[in-house]
Amino acid sequence: DTGVSQNPRHKITKRGQNVTFRCDPISEHNRLYWYRQTLGQGPEFLTYFQNEAQLEKSRLLSDRFSAERPKGSFSTLEIQRTEQGDSAMYLCASSLRLAGVETQYFGPGTRLLVL
Amino acid sequence: AQSVTQLDSQVPVFEEAPVELRCNYSSSVSVYLFWYVQYPNQGLQLLLKYLSGSTLVKGINGFEAEFNKSQTSFHLRKPSVHISDTAEYFCAVSDNAGGTSYGKLTFGQGTILTVHP
Repeated sequence: DTGVSQNPRHKITKRGQNVTFRCDPISEHNRLYWYRQTLGQGPEFLTYFQNEAQLEKSRLLSDRFSAERPKGSFSTLEIQRTEQGDSAMYLCASSLRLAGVETQYFGPGTRLLVL
Repeated sequence: AQSVTQLDSQVPVFEEAPVELRCNYSSSVSVYLFWYVQYPNQGLQLLLKYLSGSTLVKGINGFEAEFNKSQTSFHLRKPSVHISDTAEYFCAVSDNAGGTSYGKLTFGQGTILTVHP
């Protein structure tokens, strides 16, 4: 399967702990996005990478959140000092821009529950 | 800024009946439009997209959508639904300004389609 993969699929943690999620994009895709989806809502944009450069961060991404994409391949999203409000599905998507057009392909997501 | 409104949070329908899921958008620039489907505990799967050209777009699983620029709408339709179409459907837009713009998606709140036997 050459789609977008995310690990872990589920994470339960206690408030105040740090968590890290990983996203492996489709291999030839140079763009990578993180979104957060809370219950009953559509996904909301968090941040975007082109190759290894993080080019935009949403205001939703507080200073407890950090994302990296070393070498422009996989990406990690870390949440420090988790809060109950961080409980959500974290979705990763990758894309390749061709002739000014891109389509994002999503991974299965990581569901985080903060107790 | 862009916004997407999905006019129905839930749509119940009987198997083999037609269905329409409504989507309206607002944007100060021209946009690309997408419909994604999400099955329980899974990520989003692309159903179809409108980039340019014909306003009637056909996608996977027998779905189609029509772009109406004057009404800023992109409604999703299927002439005959199956039980397996039960899922949540999301309408999304991205900036079509060209140049250095990128494909950040703005999503609607989702419509849960439930197909009853």
